[in-house]
Amino acid sequence: ETGVTQTPRHLVMGMTNKKSLKCEQHLGHNAMYWYKQSAKKPLELMFVYSLEERVENNSVPSRFSPECPNSSHLFLHLHTLQPEDSALYLCASSQEQFSYNEQFFGPGTRLTVL
Amino acid sequence: GENVEQHPSTLSVQEGDSAVIKCTYSDSASNYFPWYKQELGKGPQLIIDIRSNVGEKKDQRIAVTLNKTAKHFSLHITETQPEDSAVYFCAASRTNFGNEKLTFGTGTRLTIIP
Repeated sequence: ETGVTQTPRHLVMGMTNKKSLKCEQHLGHNAMYWYKQSAKKPLELMFVYSLEERVENNSVPSRFSPECPNSSHLFLHLHTLQPEDSALYLCASSQEQFSYNEQFFGPGTRLTVL
Repeated sequence: GENVEQHPSTLSVQEGDSAVIKCTYSDSASNYFPWYKQELGKGPQLIIDIRSNVGEKKDQRIAVTLNKTAKHFSLHITETQPEDSAVYFCAASRTNFGNEKLTFGTGTRLTIIP
């Protein structure tokens, strides 16, 4: 295992629901990331946190709300999602936020929006 | 911004043969090129990376080559084995301009035929 865990692994929700995705890293890293992975599209970086501070928000709709209470935990709060938001959501961490640091990915949460 | 194209999208090779996956990038300032492997049900995992100050890097059966003039880089897997079956992603970034994010390709699904 990579040392990055994600829960739940699968989630089905309606457009009016509110749910949260959880990520935890056991590697002592300072940076954490949320990515969206859709079929036949490149991984899309959504958010970057460094030392619990958000350093990047890649024009993500406000229906996605990240939270980083400490350097080991990262959440993605979801509300009023659309069917096109169905995808695999990957969490990753790295020692520092710089791109040349190896990113360790969790297994992802497969999200289906009905 | 950076644009990374990856080919082919699917590749099937006989066990023991070699596999080659190619990527091109658009930003001549990019200088860091990692390759990630994603197995079924798992997140991507870094397998090899190369910086622009070298033209080739090898790690056992895996090698990566970089042609800065043509702005393309390739992953070579020799003596392929069934466990090499996975989706492979290339990525590119500029590391000497602060916190530049990784731009990923769309992935190549590699199938090793026993």
